[in-house]
Amino acid sequence: GAVVSQHPSRVICKSGTSVKIECRSLDFQATTMFWYRQFPKQSLMLMATSNEGSKATYEQGVEKDKFLINHASLTLSTLTVTSAHPEDSSFYICSAQTRNNSPLHFGNGTRLTVT
Amino acid sequence: DAKTTQPNSMESNEEEPVHLPCNHSTISGTDYIHWYRQLPSQGPEYVIHGLTSNVNNRMASLAIAEDRKSSTLILHRATLRDAAVYYCILRDVTKDMRFGAGTRLTVKP
Repeated sequence: GAVVSQHPSRVICKSGTSVKIECRSLDFQATTMFWYRQFPKQSLMLMATSNEGSKATYEQGVEKDKFLINHASLTLSTLTVTSAHPEDSSFYICSAQTRNNSPLHFGNGTRLTVT
Repeated sequence: DAKTTQPNSMESNEEEPVHLPCNHSTISGTDYIHWYRQLPSQGPEYVIHGLTSNVNNRMASLAIAEDRKSSTLILHRATLRDAAVYYCILRDVTKDMRFGAGTRLTVKP
């Protein structure tokens, strides 16, 4: 089946630094990738949608200058959390799909802790 | 976006069938019904999806009401590994995937 690899699985960084999270579709080409954030005991919240070669579409309330998304190829999207603060500590999850309305394939998430 | 309503939690005994309900009274004609599940500290996993007809796959069955205002995910024999949060999501072909609160399924040995 389709596999999405997300890296790193855990990262701890100091406040003010930036962190990059990678999301790769290993055996398929992803036309669209989605980034989610999940706080403890809550559901997933959609942050942004990215299509290969174009700018990401951010959800209301998500700062595009803080959460930089790059989708440079059909198999790779990256999320960079810039100038991270403790309140950015969360579980970040990416997903990918091959075409409209095909099931989403999710990565195993990245647990970010900002100290 | 059309919303779904699911019970917050359900319990099941191991090796028994589980019926997870989902109400979606405002579903539109182009909304597909998707089910995903999320095990602790992992990303969600696709379970099944359908539009109007009942669907079966190796993981589960999806029963869709004739008026499409509700659906039921059926796990035929629950195992301990099926303990997870199950999300019922409506999705139009052209739109993104938004998660509700889901149902936390506990499976008792």
